[in-house]
Amino acid sequence: DQQVKQNSPSLSVQEGRISILNCDYTNSMFDYFLWYKKYPAEGPTFLISISSIKDKNEDGRFTVFLNKSAKHLSLHIVPSQPGDSAVYFCAAKIIVYDKIIFGKGTRLHILP
Amino acid sequence: DAGVTQSPTHLIKTRGQQVTLRCSPKSGHDTVSWYQQALGQGPQFIFQYYEEEERQRGNFPDRFSGHQFPNYSSELNVNALLLGDSALYLCASSFGTGGIRTIYFGEGSWLTVV
Repeated sequence: DQQVKQNSPSLSVQEGRISILNCDYTNSMFDYFLWYKKYPAEGPTFLISISSIKDKNEDGRFTVFLNKSAKHLSLHIVPSQPGDSAVYFCAAKIIVYDKIIFGKGTRLHILP
Repeated sequence: DAGVTQSPTHLIKTRGQQVTLRCSPKSGHDTVSWYQQALGQGPQFIFQYYEEEERQRGNFPDRFSGHQFPNYSSELNVNALLLGDSALYLCASSFGTGGIRTIYFGEGSWLTVV
């Protein structure tokens, strides 16, 4: 039972344009959401997070949007850069627990 | 400042064998979690160790066991290996448990079961 779903296995975006990665979740108990970035041969690296009490969080070029009623979140990267090419994992947790539930990931290709 | 370090990087085992993977947490961290990432999947939580005890466990069979040492390092043991255990095993560390904490992942140990 996939509680966190990333329905796009891959996404290609032109350098300089906006990259939008989408994620859906099914467990209404989740109250904290995270995005991780993973390069080959490296472990996942924390990118940005959002609490369920917010609907938007920005950090530089990265913005995460949360729509609780739709159980949907998205990660926007503006502008996209070549170094952004990686696998992005959407993840969710219940704050009092440490267990993080990950989606399957979306591979982002930034095209020159 | 060393991050999370894992060993070995790669290993190949035969079905039915046992394997031990090792993890040293980031300096200052006292909590270690283990995740399994199968090909094409996201990481799946196996269990977490804090104060040398297993605190939380995911949906993995008892063949998966672990240990945390007084220096906070940890081992993951898998007995009676199956082909389906082939995966990247990730160790993650943090300071304390619960709440909002940034966890740091190691580069992982690639296990191939043949």
